Amino acid sequence: DIQMTQSPSSLSASVGDRVTITCRASQSINTYLNWYQQKPGKAPKLLISAASSLQSGDPLRFSGSGSGTDFTLTISSLQPEDFATYYCQQSYRSPRAFGQGTKVEIK
Amino acid sequence: QVQLQQWGAGLVKPSETLSLTCAVYGGSFSGYYWSWIRQPPGKGLEWIGEINQSGSTNYNPSLKSPVTISVDTSNNQFSLRLSSVTAADTAVYYCAREGGYGGDSYAFDYWGQGSLVIVSS
Repeated sequence: DIQMTQSPSSLSASVGDRVTITCRASQSINTYLNWYQQKPGKAPKLLISAASSLQSGDPLRFSGSGSGTDFTLTISSLQPEDFATYYCQQSYRSPRAFGQGTKVEIK
Repeated sequence: QVQLQQWGAGLVKPSETLSLTCAVYGGSFSGYYWSWIRQPPGKGLEWIGEINQSGSTNYNPSLKSPVTISVDTSNNQFSLRLSSVTAADTAVYYCAREGGYGGDSYAFDYWGQGSLVIVSS
């Protein structure tokens, strides 16, 4: 099975900061990597698919990059509504697997 | 607009069977895989398994409790049964659609509202 590892597990940042979250797969997954945003008490929301495709309607301050085993989610200028937990997920093969999550908190 | 609405028992006794159903409204039911995903309190997401309209399934082998996912295409619904549950199966359970995003890339693009299931006597 493919294991997904995110870092850091949590981070504190201020509004306007640039934030980078890393996700590493235990084997190459090409660009079959998705990012989700989850706010407390809510279902996760698809943010980025296929490593770098931002979902329609989502802010351009979110971007994704990477291929193979190493991926990055970047928030260029953190906004108050971005404080949430972010998960990566591989769709290369079953069983689907998520990273353990990165909680972005207010500094 | 695709909507997933899920329901089921919120309290299950240890060793009994957890049962949830998810109904799909709007969009097409065929041509997709439909998944169950769970999240223990304060923890991350775990994929349980998936089914398509033909009844073809894939399950996560790491789950300790036996899992069955079934489909009812006449009502655009799919269901989860988790047998012999323990306290470790306490979680918010989500149903989700896995949609295609260019080539053969897939992602969970529509989610149910989530159902908290507590396993306790």
